[in-house]
Amino acid sequence: DAGVTQSPTHLIKTRGQQVTLRCSPISGHKSVSWYQQVLGQGPQFIFQYYEKEERGRGNFPDRFSARQFPNYSSELNVNALLLGDSALYLCASSLVGAEAFFGQGTRLTVV
Amino acid sequence: GENVEQHPSTLSVQEGDSAVIKCTYSDSASNYFPWYKQELGKRPQLIIDIRSNVGEKKDQRIAVTLNKTAKHFSLHITETQPEDSAVYFCAAIRMDSNYQLIWGAGTKLIIKP
Repeated sequence: DAGVTQSPTHLIKTRGQQVTLRCSPISGHKSVSWYQQVLGQGPQFIFQYYEKEERGRGNFPDRFSARQFPNYSSELNVNALLLGDSALYLCASSLVGAEAFFGQGTRLTVV
Repeated sequence: GENVEQHPSTLSVQEGDSAVIKCTYSDSASNYFPWYKQELGKRPQLIIDIRSNVGEKKDQRIAVTLNKTAKHFSLHITETQPEDSAVYFCAAIRMDSNYQLIWGAGTKLIIKP
């Protein structure tokens, strides 16, 4: 079975641009969460989706948005990129009430 | 909301010795406490977890203890090996709420040969 897959693995964008990150959960997992991990810090919760509905949102500006598709894959969009958005973006999938499994992450660099 | 504090931020131990990392949480409703290991440039990987109805859980050289009254939980690694060197994160969550893991700041564990 494939684990959580994220694409792309690395990305370089210019300030002000927009970016879309993608995540495919483990088969059968209906919950997908997004986390931002700045170098040297712990992950920070951005969004959680379950059954295509937003179930939780962290303390991030409206420039961050996400959605979940009928096949439970998910996209994270970030508009008007800032230098401070440079980070590792992690996607995690889970069964409800069970542990989260993480993808390998997308390394976003904003220049 | 939930807040998780983790100590120490860096821990250096001699190979073969034990390592202990401690976390405290603020929300008494939190009922699931995973520990993740993250090697440089890699994803966090679950190494052990504990639910609030259990006081201790062991898996070979790794153990986790939970004190619900004091709202703290700890990771114990015995007979440390060089491959244990990594950053370890604790986290807490209410499993009946939105699935929002609240993370500690991480502990960099260094195993000295």
